[in-house]
Amino acid sequence: DVKVTQSSRYLVKRTGEKVFLECVQDMDHENMFWYRQDPGLGLRLIYFSYDVKMKEKGDIPEGYSVSREKKERFSLILESASTNQTSMYLCASTTQGVTIYFGEGSWLTVV
Amino acid sequence: GDSVTQMEGPVTLSEEAFLTINCTYTATGYPSLFWYVQYPGEGLQLLLKATKADDKGSNKGFEATYRKETTSFHLEKGSVQVSDSAVYFCALSDTGTASKLTFGTGTRLQVTL
Repeated sequence: DVKVTQSSRYLVKRTGEKVFLECVQDMDHENMFWYRQDPGLGLRLIYFSYDVKMKEKGDIPEGYSVSREKKERFSLILESASTNQTSMYLCASTTQGVTIYFGEGSWLTVV
Repeated sequence: GDSVTQMEGPVTLSEEAFLTINCTYTATGYPSLFWYVQYPGEGLQLLLKATKADDKGSNKGFEATYRKETTSFHLEKGSVQVSDSAVYFCALSDTGTASKLTFGTGTRLQVTL
């Protein structure tokens, strides 16, 4: 089975801190994604990556950056966390196909 | 751009009731359509999918048919169980962009005994 692992399930950070959310997949997928999930808004795409060192902005990239140094790992970075970034963050991956696999999510609270 | 609209929740049903969750979409081209389910405290799991018009996706008693003429992909189940309580997301994939998904806002289903 495909496994997408998000390293932290629950985090509490202070305003202004730099935050790293890590995601690793074990199926050699080319494409990886970061979404945030908020009540009433569904999932919104932050960034995605087609390959190592490649990245594309999604629908809501402001306040975020990403890093993909290795094929299996896709990191989401909040350079200076703010309270409006309190959310659930979901990582996903896929190969050149149709089915996308999601991690279990990371709940981030910024205080 | 692409968009997905699904019915507002929460939907509350008694066990063994019939379920319909409506989903309509707007897209250029010929997207693939999905239903994902999220159980409490978990990530999203693919429930079913359809990749072309008139395809029917099915899994675990759930079904949805890709209707191009009405741009719809409604989720149905004939007899829900308490264990079906979850949030259901309709989504589409513009297959020209490496399976990037556009989601609806989600519909919470609560099934009671």
